[in-house]
Amino acid sequence: DAGVTQSPTHLIKTRGQQVTLRCSPKSGHDTVSWYQQALGQGPQFIFQYYEEEERQRGNFPDRFSGHQFPNYSSELNVNALLLGDSALYLCASTMDRVNEQYFGPGTRLTVT
Amino acid sequence: DQQVKQNSPSLSVQEGRISILNCDYTNSMFDYFLWYKKYPAEGPTFLISISSIKDKNEDGRFTVFLNKSAKHLSLHIVPSQPGDSAVYFCAASARWSNDYKLSFGAGTTVTVRA
Repeated sequence: DAGVTQSPTHLIKTRGQQVTLRCSPKSGHDTVSWYQQALGQGPQFIFQYYEEEERQRGNFPDRFSGHQFPNYSSELNVNALLLGDSALYLCASTMDRVNEQYFGPGTRLTVT
Repeated sequence: DQQVKQNSPSLSVQEGRISILNCDYTNSMFDYFLWYKKYPAEGPTFLISISSIKDKNEDGRFTVFLNKSAKHLSLHIVPSQPGDSAVYFCAASARWSNDYKLSFGAGTTVTVRA
């Protein structure tokens, strides 16, 4: 049973560029959340998708947007990249109404 | 505003002894608490959780204690093993308030010495 998968593993972008990160949830899960983890900090919630809609959003600017597809996979898009966007981006999946979220290995984004 | 706090950035313990990790929270709406373990270059792995209606939950070597009046929870690992060396995150959610996100602490790095 495959767990949560994310691609790519690493990414290097230049300031001002745009990036798309991808996530496939664990089999049987229908809810996907995205988190940003800066160095030395805990993961910070970006947003959650359920039934292809953004259900909840954290304190992140509109430059961060997402999408969920009918097969429950999800994308995170970040526009106009800033140096401060450099972080580990984690995708987590769960079934609706279940508290435990299961995380993928993350995508390490470096903005230069 | 950090609603979940892990005030000890690191913990060193001898193999076979008990590891105690602490976590404090400020949001009284939190009703579910989780512990995750994270190795370098991997995502966080779910360890154990506890609902606010309980004060203790045990799973093998891992036990989580919840003190709601003090807004404090702890994770006990007994006995500690070298493979337990990792970063441990405390997380909380407020599902009954339709708050679906997990709020994380900054983590505690555990080193188990042989």
